[in-house]
Amino acid sequence: ETGVTQTPRHLVMGMTNKKSLKCEQHLGHNAMYWYKQSAKKPLELMFVYSLEERVENNSVPSRFSPECPNSSHLFLHLHTLQPEDSALYLCASSQIRSGADTIYFGEGSWLTVV
Amino acid sequence: AQSVTQLDSQVPVFEEAPVELRCNYSSSVSVYLFWYVQYPNQGLQLLLKYLSGSTLVKGINGFEAEFNKSQTSFHLRKPSVHISDTAEYFCAVSDWAGRRALTFGSGTRLQVQP
Repeated sequence: ETGVTQTPRHLVMGMTNKKSLKCEQHLGHNAMYWYKQSAKKPLELMFVYSLEERVENNSVPSRFSPECPNSSHLFLHLHTLQPEDSALYLCASSQIRSGADTIYFGEGSWLTVV
Repeated sequence: AQSVTQLDSQVPVFEEAPVELRCNYSSSVSVYLFWYVQYPNQGLQLLLKYLSGSTLVKGINGFEAEFNKSQTSFHLRKPSVHISDTAEYFCAVSDWAGRRALTFGSGTRLQVQP
């Protein structure tokens, strides 16, 4: 079992649908992240939950809504998405000590918006 | 603000040849530097990281990187590549200036040919 598990691995949804991506980390870390990976673009940090604090990238549209019920679980709720939101969404976790912390990634959820 | 530039989007190389993947960064404060690798259909995996001390850092799978503060570079090298090294390689920086996450470059696709 990998340290960071994401489900589903593949998701196809219409623009009017509501769906959620789920992430679970088994590493005992105190921080979790959502990154968006689009073709030929740098990985984009979307949200960070660390030490019960949420930090977000202000450029992320409100149609993406994160939820972190506890330190092991992270959700990304999706509603009324656009085709340009199709991408690989990566969940990650780390143990916050300093900026040298290693971030551990899941295998990602491939999202296609039709 | 910090940023990372990976100068080459693709690097083709023959098996057993040496390779260098270039990375330059900009930051107003001291940084920590990372290289991650992404194999097809997988998440990102840490190759190596520079925190302090020796500027030559050795990582997994025979890779190494050299931190050059005057040139603000952190190039990744391997003296002899294998077919299995074919993957996407990402350089990242963390400056621990309040952000608890990494800023990534746009990636370099290493294609090892027989």
